Amino acid sequence: GAVVSQHPSWVICKSGTSVKIECRSLDFQATTMFWYRQFPKQSLMLMATSNEGSKATYEQGVEKDKFLINHASLTLSTLTVTSAHPEDSSFYICSASWGGLANEQFFGPGTRLTVL
Amino acid sequence: GEDVEQSLFLSVREGDSSVINCTYTDSSSTYLYWYKQEPGAGLQLLTYIFSNMDMKQDQRLTVLLNKKDKHLSLRIADTQTGDSAIYFCAERALAAGNKLTFGGGTRVLVKP
Repeated sequence: GAVVSQHPSWVICKSGTSVKIECRSLDFQATTMFWYRQFPKQSLMLMATSNEGSKATYEQGVEKDKFLINHASLTLSTLTVTSAHPEDSSFYICSASWGGLANEQFFGPGTRLTVL
Repeated sequence: GEDVEQSLFLSVREGDSSVINCTYTDSSSTYLYWYKQEPGAGLQLLTYIFSNMDMKQDQRLTVLLNKKDKHLSLRIADTQTGDSAIYFCAERALAAGNKLTFGGGTRVLVKP
């Protein structure tokens, strides 16, 4: 149980284009989803927290107009990187929480974005 | 604020025990977690411990928590080559709401 998927697993795009990444909780309803960014050989940096049906809460320094998050249902959240630039190239990981006692976060497999 | 630190690297021989250490600063921590990340993959939740517990054992994994010293450790018994990965500790603190604060990760290399 507690499986989270991400799509696509990798994407290469041209500078200036927008890229959408999907995060789905496959076998549970996620009250909260999180989006992280991970640079090579570094830890995870939380970008934003989203609850179904409400606006995402962005961490300090994360541009909300550049990284659009939509949490449309209890099983789906999307991250759109708008007008992507090479510095946006990174590994993006989502996680989902069903709000259990320990509030465990279950992570997706990640999406590697390369912007040319 | 929250700060979680881990040593960068651990090398261990197959069959030996591995001990990965983590320190944190936020005294309002409620839960502490250990995650495993294999190359190019997401994070797999290994185990977690509630802050009022001292120890938790789950098969080959033993978590020890010293709340006074704000020190967390993960012991892997009979380490296998498949245990080679990066291990992250994370804390969930009342002050941070539902968010996790991650350590920098410990790269574990298991040698045959």
